[in-house]
Amino acid sequence: DTAVSQTPKYLVTQMGNDKSIKCEQNLGHDTMYWYKQDSKKFLKIMFSYNNKELIINETVPNRFSPKSPDKAHLNLHINSLELGDSAVYFCASSQTGGPFYEQYFGPGTRLTVT
Amino acid sequence: RKEVEQDPGPFNVPEGATVAFNCTYSNSASQSFFWYRQDCRKEPKLLMSVYSSGNEDGRFTAQLNRASQYISLLIRDSKLSDSATYLCVVNMDYKLSFGAGTTVTVRA
Repeated sequence: DTAVSQTPKYLVTQMGNDKSIKCEQNLGHDTMYWYKQDSKKFLKIMFSYNNKELIINETVPNRFSPKSPDKAHLNLHINSLELGDSAVYFCASSQTGGPFYEQYFGPGTRLTVT
Repeated sequence: RKEVEQDPGPFNVPEGATVAFNCTYSNSASQSFFWYRQDCRKEPKLLMSVYSSGNEDGRFTAQLNRASQYISLLIRDSKLSDSATYLCVVNMDYKLSFGAGTTVTVRA
């Protein structure tokens, strides 16, 4: 049983294209996240939704737009892809309530922009 | 200053050895702390939460020093399967800040 799943796993596309990455969690968590891990392996948060409401929106270009149709799904749409967008994008989820909430990550989507 | 700083390593140790490493965090109001493990080309996976009094999970021991703002991880009796990158993670208001990771390689 996959807890946090992402599709696609690999995405190769050309500059200027628009693409989407989908994420679903079956853990019953109320909060979901998108992270970007670049070539230097630094994992940085991009967005977070709690019960479909945006609660974290880091300094990310407007070309990135998250959408949460329900609390089990958080999709990421990227417009006008640039070379610098090449990275691994991880979705994660957690359950709020108390300081020790833990995040569970999906397998990642490896995006390559050519 | 980065929110979470770690010694990148690599720590190259023989099987059975003990290896320990630290990380420091900048925000004294940070609320909770974790160690995650990331294997090459895989997602981060929670290794253990770090409690104020320190905690142990099998061969792994985590310590938190709030006064000095550092967290440590000690691995005893290292196994080949412990080879990975260990990420120090600090939580502040729903937001996790990750260190760049400490790479550990256990050799036979």
